[in-house]
Amino acid sequence: TQLLEQSPQFLSIQEGENLTVYCNSSSVFSSLQWYRQEPGEGPVLLVTVVTGGEVKKLKRLTFQFGDARKDSSLHITAAQPGDTGLYLCAGAAWSGYNKLIFGAGTRLAVHP
Amino acid sequence: EAQVTQNPRYLITVTGKKLTVTCSQNMNHEYMSWYRQDPGLGLRQIYYSMNVEVTDKGDVPEGYKVSRKEKRNFPLILESPSPNQTSLYFCASSFDGGTEAFFGQGTRLTVV
Repeated sequence: TQLLEQSPQFLSIQEGENLTVYCNSSSVFSSLQWYRQEPGEGPVLLVTVVTGGEVKKLKRLTFQFGDARKDSSLHITAAQPGDTGLYLCAGAAWSGYNKLIFGAGTRLAVHP
Repeated sequence: EAQVTQNPRYLITVTGKKLTVTCSQNMNHEYMSWYRQDPGLGLRQIYYSMNVEVTDKGDVPEGYKVSRKEKRNFPLILESPSPNQTSLYFCASSFDGGTEAFFGQGTRLTVV
């Protein structure tokens, strides 16, 4: 069974702090997606990383795919209250068909 | 506007009373799936469909049924709901199972 472990599960920080969320697995994924989910809404895609070692930046968010394509990280610089939400990583894997394996999520609260 | 529409958003029902949650997408996606989201467990796939009349079990299919008679619609059926099916449910569609998933807004189901 392919699993994606996210850490930490919860994160409560002050505005302006930096943070990193980790997504780890023993399995290799063809790509890794990061989603953000706000209360009362479905997850929305932030970014997809495909190549081992790839780094993508989205304003203050930096996403990295591990060299072996088994892990990924999300780093937020100078967090803002608007960054509050649930962050989910999802690995694309083949098990007879293409499917996404989701991590349990990191709930981030950024306080003013 | 590209969207996945689920109905209803909230549902409270009694044990054993059959219910259907509808899902419709307007992106002409072939792949659709249903997930349930529970605290600490993340998104778990219930059923998926790769095309019209092609459906298969995901990771947690017990107690659920689906159908895919038209490309745009993928209803989730609970023939005899039980309290352990109390959860937040999401429908999603994508180009294929491993690409960006577009989620509905969710259906919060409570079975008493």
